[in-house]
Amino acid sequence: AQRVTQPEKLLSVFKGAPVELKCNYSYSGSPELFWYVQYSRQRLQLLLRHISRESIKGFTADLNKGETSFHLKKPFAQEEDSAMYYCALSVGGTSYGKLTFGQGTILTVHP
Amino acid sequence: DVKVTQSSRYLVKRTGEKVFLECVQDMDHENMFWYRQDPGLGLRLIYFSYDVKMKEKGDIPEGYSVSREKKERFSLILESASTNQTSMYLCASNSVLEAFFGQGTRLTVV
Repeated sequence: AQRVTQPEKLLSVFKGAPVELKCNYSYSGSPELFWYVQYSRQRLQLLLRHISRESIKGFTADLNKGETSFHLKKPFAQEEDSAMYYCALSVGGTSYGKLTFGQGTILTVHP
Repeated sequence: DVKVTQSSRYLVKRTGEKVFLECVQDMDHENMFWYRQDPGLGLRLIYFSYDVKMKEKGDIPEGYSVSREKKERFSLILESASTNQTSMYLCASNSVLEAFFGQGTRLTVV
């Protein structure tokens, strides 16, 4: 069975500092990886997905199949980045759309 | 604008009660999901449905059932609520490559 691990429950940085939220996964096939974000008093929403190879709100994430990682990075954190971040995995096929989530990381960006 | 709407934001129920959590989506999505969200555990899948009247168990289905009589509506049922089912419940539907979530229902079982 697939598994997603986010080793940091809490992450604190200062505004303007680089930030990296770690995500490791275990799955024998080729998964699709996502980052979802939940800002205070808002619903959970998609931040980015690996197949799009896009940068959203300055965040990027690269899928490293050798290390089975999908870390989320931003070179200069902003206070509005403070939120709960979830890494998620979809295995496709008949389970398409079914997501396995990590435990989540609460990011706090201090002024 | 894409919308997934959960009928209640907060619910307080007594142990042993039968509880219904309702979810409606207006995007004509075929896939719908129920997750529970707990601190330190992330989101865990309870049940999902790929079509009307179709359901499949997720990772933690014990104590729950679901109903999908219409494409837009997916209900989660707690047959006999227990205190360990106190949690935040999230409904979702998905298009290709993106899941859309409801605002959540915080259920407290006393």
